[in-house]
Amino acid sequence: EAQVTQNPRYLITVTGKKLTVTCSQNMNHEYMSWYRQDPGLGLRQIYYSMNVEVTDKGDVPEGYKVSRKEKRNFPLILESPSPNQTSLYFCASSLWLAGVWTQYFGPGTRLLVL
Amino acid sequence: KQEVTQIPAALSVPEGENLVLNCSFTDSAIYNLQWFRQDPGKGLTSLLLIQSSQREQTSGRLNASLDKSSGRSTLYIAASQPGDSATYLCAVSLTGANSKLTFGKGITLSVRP
Repeated sequence: EAQVTQNPRYLITVTGKKLTVTCSQNMNHEYMSWYRQDPGLGLRQIYYSMNVEVTDKGDVPEGYKVSRKEKRNFPLILESPSPNQTSLYFCASSLWLAGVWTQYFGPGTRLLVL
Repeated sequence: KQEVTQIPAALSVPEGENLVLNCSFTDSAIYNLQWFRQDPGKGLTSLLLIQSSQREQTSGRLNASLDKSSGRSTLYIAASQPGDSATYLCAVSLTGANSKLTFGKGITLSVRP
């Protein structure tokens, strides 16, 4: 089954404790991205990756890092989490087909930073 | 900067009603527009995608229209059912060079039995 998986699904942590949210897709897609969703602000793109070792900033990259060492994985790293990073995070992978980007979203990771 | 607006933020209707969800965007130079459905605890599911050259798309009880010149899209849901209760998100893509989407804040729909 084609899917995007994220782990963990729920996480409570404390300010300053480094964490990583993993994202993996089994569709061999080149394009992957991370979004965060906040009440009143909607979904905003954090980082994206066009291919292995190719990453770039989205609209709200501050406080986040990413890496793309393999095509299937695109982890999101919070080196020193702060309470304003409490949010619902979505990973997505995309396929370019017939002039359209077809997007597949993961189930989301709900993060609470105390 | 492209902004996508969805009003109202929440909507409650009785089962069986036909309803229209609205989406507006500030920059008409879009590549395409998508409607997504979001269920609690699950990811986003694409419902319909309209290319900038198209006027509408249909899937089952759903019909999405696009008026690029006025910066508006509507999602029409016929004969609504309780299972349609979810948050509906409108998103635009500005270019085919990448898959970045600019989202509206969504409309939370509740269909009462």
